[in-house]
Amino acid sequence: QSALTQPRSVSGSPGQSVTISCTGTSSDIGGYNFVSWYQQHPGKAPKLMIFAVIERPSGVPDRFSGSKSGNTASLTISGLQAEDEADYYCCSYAGRFTPYVFGTGTKVTVL
Amino acid sequence: QITLKESGPTLVKPTQTLTLTCTFSGFSLFTSGVGVGWIRQPPGKALEWLALIYWDDDKRYSPSLKSRLTIKKDISKNQVVLTMTNMDPVDTATYYCAHSNMIQGVLPFFDYWGQGTLVSVSS
Repeated sequence: QSALTQPRSVSGSPGQSVTISCTGTSSDIGGYNFVSWYQQHPGKAPKLMIFAVIERPSGVPDRFSGSKSGNTASLTISGLQAEDEADYYCCSYAGRFTPYVFGTGTKVTVL
Repeated sequence: QITLKESGPTLVKPTQTLTLTCTFSGFSLFTSGVGVGWIRQPPGKALEWLALIYWDDDKRYSPSLKSRLTIKKDISKNQVVLTMTNMDPVDTATYYCAHSNMIQGVLPFFDYWGQGTLVSVSS
């Protein structure tokens, strides 16, 4: 099972929107509606931001939204804020025997 | 309130076996629909899923590491233990344990994570 493909970096100015893509295959992203997204600040543990493609856990700002089309999922951060600067990882359920495959990670920079 | 915390050695020698313990609170692995997984992250690199244990003691392993990994649970101690044999310098990473909850019959994401523990492999 290969890692999901993400851009190495994206950037935007405060208030702007940025979108991170996550490309997999029909065996993972395309096969299930179970894409999750994690935010990771330097030296910290990952934090769940999106699950089941579009769902936000309690406490996650609605500036964060998820979507999926075919084998590609996306995370959009609207109204970018300084504290959104972090690494972001996608993850997809990939079936009963290999439940998880993570993405390569994307660094979001707030200009 | 769900919390998890990893513990174990910070340094192991090549070829040795690594044993990591995840001690958790706020949930029970006796409860249907719950799982605990291990994920690692080499310095400056991406997350990599390693293993998962379900409430019913079913287990899943990363195919690339399956021969080296064992995951077990101790319900009475609220602990999950991961062992990895034949450690190599490329296994140097921060190792995380994380809680997973079932939705629609599967455990598709990790909603609570431990702080992680850095394990270095060097002679």
